[in-house]
Amino acid sequence: DQQVKQNSPSLSVQEGRISILNCDYTNSMFDYFLWYKKYPAEGPTFLISISSIKDKNEDGRFTVFLNKSAKHLSLHIVPSQPGDSAVYFCAASGDTGGFKTIFGAGTRLFVKA
Amino acid sequence: DVKVTQSSRYLVKRTGEKVFLECVQDMDHENMFWYRQDPGLGLRLIYFSYDVKMKEKGDIPEGYSVSREKKERFSLILESASTNQTSMYLCASSFQRTLLRTQYFGPGTRLLVL
Repeated sequence: DQQVKQNSPSLSVQEGRISILNCDYTNSMFDYFLWYKKYPAEGPTFLISISSIKDKNEDGRFTVFLNKSAKHLSLHIVPSQPGDSAVYFCAASGDTGGFKTIFGAGTRLFVKA
Repeated sequence: DVKVTQSSRYLVKRTGEKVFLECVQDMDHENMFWYRQDPGLGLRLIYFSYDVKMKEKGDIPEGYSVSREKKERFSLILESASTNQTSMYLCASSFQRTLLRTQYFGPGTRLLVL
């Protein structure tokens, strides 16, 4: 039972354009959402997060949008750069029993120069 | 800067061997976690710990055990390694306070069981 789903295994975008990575969740108890970025041979690093009391959070080129009614969040990267090429994991946590964090399967982003 | 280190980057073991993976964090975090990452499956939680001597099963604990004797150190043990335990193993840590849920990850250990 996948509580956090990233349905696109990969995404290819031209440098300078917008990258949109999507994530869906099923558990309405989730109240905090995070995006992590992972380069090959490295551990994931925290990128941006959003609390369920907000619908948008922005940090430089990265913006996360949350649509609670649709149980959907998205990460926008504008403008995309070749260095953004990595695997992006969506994650969710909440009072589901210990505040564990549940991760999606990841989306591999390719930004072409 | 938060630092989470893992004892090995690459490890090759034989079926049936006992394997120890060690993780150390230097930020005085209460929580520590062990995940495995497999293609198409994302990060799956094996075990986690909220405090010294405490451990909780994650989603896939079978075939694994853990030890947390000191706050900064969390060890993952494969009692008898099997080929289906070939994977990337990631350790993470975080503060216990519920509002601070960002986890900090180590570089990972890629384990190959032959």
